[in-house]
Amino acid sequence: EVQLVQSGAEVKEPGESLRISCKASGYSFTSDWIGWVRQTPRKGLEWMGIIYPGDSDTRYSPSFQGQVTISADKSISTAYLQWSSLKASDTAMYYCATLIALCTTCSESSGFFDHWGQGTLVTVSS
Amino acid sequence: QSALTQPASVSGSPGQSITISCTGTSSDVGTYKYVSWYQQYPGKAPKVMIYDVSNRPSGVSNRFSGSKSGNTASLTISGLQAEDEADYYCSTYTRSSTLNWMFGGGTKLTVL
Repeated sequence: EVQLVQSGAEVKEPGESLRISCKASGYSFTSDWIGWVRQTPRKGLEWMGIIYPGDSDTRYSPSFQGQVTISADKSISTAYLQWSSLKASDTAMYYCATLIALCTTCSESSGFFDHWGQGTLVTVSS
Repeated sequence: QSALTQPASVSGSPGQSITISCTGTSSDVGTYKYVSWYQQYPGKAPKVMIYDVSNRPSGVSNRFSGSKSGNTASLTISGLQAEDEADYYCSTYTRSSTLNWMFGGGTKLTVL
């Protein structure tokens, strides 16, 4: 059974750094893409980026390029999302999700988020 | 403003069928067959209900079906049940010069 277990809720002040995690199990972590999705009441669901832990190939949404860093440690089957300097506007629920069907080198490929973590609520406030 | 347009709310009585629309453009929904639909209960993570326009993942009830016509995709739920009351989001992923995922703003389904 595929499981994604995310780290707990965080309360931070503007300007602080943060890294949240997503531990995967039940599938081949190094052979499938995993992504991060942000959810806010105002903007709804937004994809932030995806990573292929096998070779650390990372793709970012233009909206989040330069704002966050996505990484993965394949030795412990864990993906990360990190900020170097948080803003109040980063307050949101963050989900990791697998894209097991995604094949970026194929001419055609499904690309849906099939298994999701439980979410990590990040609150940034002074 | 979301990239994909969904009605804010729909409602139906138990046993009825409802359809939720998701309108994009000729550059996304109209071109690609990669529309997916997600169900989300309050305080829970989304769950995929339909992928690639009309495919159901294993374990999803066959009361859920998807279709697409032109730039608009649709999710139909037949034999509405109380447990279907949730938020529903459509999504499409495009693979032109870069990969890109877009979501709809979500539709609140109320079972009367």
